[in-house]
Amino acid sequence: DAGITQSPRHKVTETGTPVTLRCHQTENHRYMYWYRQDPGHGLRLIHYSYGVKDTDKGEVSDGYSVSRSKTEDFLLTLESATSSQTSVYFCAISGDRLSPLHFGNGTRLTVT
Amino acid sequence: RKEVEQDPGPFNVPEGATVAFNCTYSNSASQSFFWYRQDCRKEPKLLMSVYSSGNEDGRFTAQLNRASQYISLLIRDSKLSDSATYLCVVPANAGGTSYGKLTFGQGTILTVHP
Repeated sequence: DAGITQSPRHKVTETGTPVTLRCHQTENHRYMYWYRQDPGHGLRLIHYSYGVKDTDKGEVSDGYSVSRSKTEDFLLTLESATSSQTSVYFCAISGDRLSPLHFGNGTRLTVT
Repeated sequence: RKEVEQDPGPFNVPEGATVAFNCTYSNSASQSFFWYRQDCRKEPKLLMSVYSSGNEDGRFTAQLNRASQYISLLIRDSKLSDSATYLCVVPANAGGTSYGKLTFGQGTILTVHP
């Protein structure tokens, strides 16, 4: 399995608090992605990165920011968490544009 | 047309049955396609890649029809362990470089029963 670690695995937080999720890879892959998965919506892309300090928005980026200061780490930040951001968050990596994605184990986030 | 549409399912089949899922896509320029399986409360895992007309791996066969813009997944001799959600995945519609962005279908639930 691809070396991808997400942390934390579970988190409960209150509305209005900042939250940062971390994705760490040991594959030296260029591309990294953050998805959220919700019932009835499937997997939706939040942000992605195509290199160190190179990031762009996905289809559901409002309320989220990302940073990638090293190849191996991709951080997702909720500046002020809302209940609508309760979800399962998956990080994924890929070696090139045509290759499939490999996913981390996911982070279950609950915003109360 | 939605970027990716899958059979709504769910599919409930007995062990040993053959089952097929279809998936239609809107981006006619797409070159690579994937099927993932996802077990309950787990991450999606790659099942098969489809780069040309089709691909076969044991009991699983994926076919691509570019003219009609659909891909299919055929599972023969179903096992209890095949019970999962199957996700159809295609490159995202984007002008210029898509940087590997993929669009996931909502998934088809398969339950194989004894």
